[in-house]
Amino acid sequence: QVHLVQSGAEVKKPGASVRVSCKTSGHTFTSYYIHWVRQAPGQGLEWMGLINPSGGRTDYVQKFQGRVTMTRDTSTSTVYMEVSSLRSEDTAVYYCARVKDYYDLHSLDYWGQGTLVTVSS
Amino acid sequence: DIQMTQSPSTLSASVGDRVTITCRASQSISRWLAWYQQKPGTAPKLLIFDASSLESGVPSRFSGSGSGTEFTLTISSLQPDDFATYYCQQYSSSSHFGQGTTLEIK
Repeated sequence: QVHLVQSGAEVKKPGASVRVSCKTSGHTFTSYYIHWVRQAPGQGLEWMGLINPSGGRTDYVQKFQGRVTMTRDTSTSTVYMEVSSLRSEDTAVYYCARVKDYYDLHSLDYWGQGTLVTVSS
Repeated sequence: DIQMTQSPSTLSASVGDRVTITCRASQSISRWLAWYQQKPGTAPKLLIFDASSLESGVPSRFSGSGSGTEFTLTISSLQPDDFATYYCQQYSSSSHFGQGTTLEIK
């Protein structure tokens, strides 16, 4: 059974950084791209980018370029996403999700439970 | 960037109704489109991929159609569990979600 388990909620001050982890199990870690999606309170889903757990290649939405870094640790089957220079607009639930097939871009069939990041002074 | 526009934003319907949600892409995405259902406080759930393929375990009352720039999600006979928010997602070039359609009880 595939599982994606994310780290717990975080409260950060503006200007700080946050790192969210996503530990995967139940599938071959290096075979499936992982995407990150966020959802601000009461808002829709916003795609942020992806990482290839095999080689570490990343692709970020332009608006997050320079502020978001996705990495992976193959020894623990864990993917990380760090957001720097946090501002109040980054307050959201952050989800990791697995691509359905052996592509970089496809539908997302397994999701983490979400991690609430609150940015507040 | 390919933008996705869903309509309507809100839909009121009754149990047993047939409902359709539309998603339009700003340029052709072939059939690279998925539909998700999301309930409050939970992660989205994949319903349909590649425009019309039903994800395993999803009831057959859900169906998807379309190609190019116009797509629809149809629920043939609404059940109480179906009242939720629905999103489309394109994965033709990068990825982008529609703004969502909230399905409410009439």
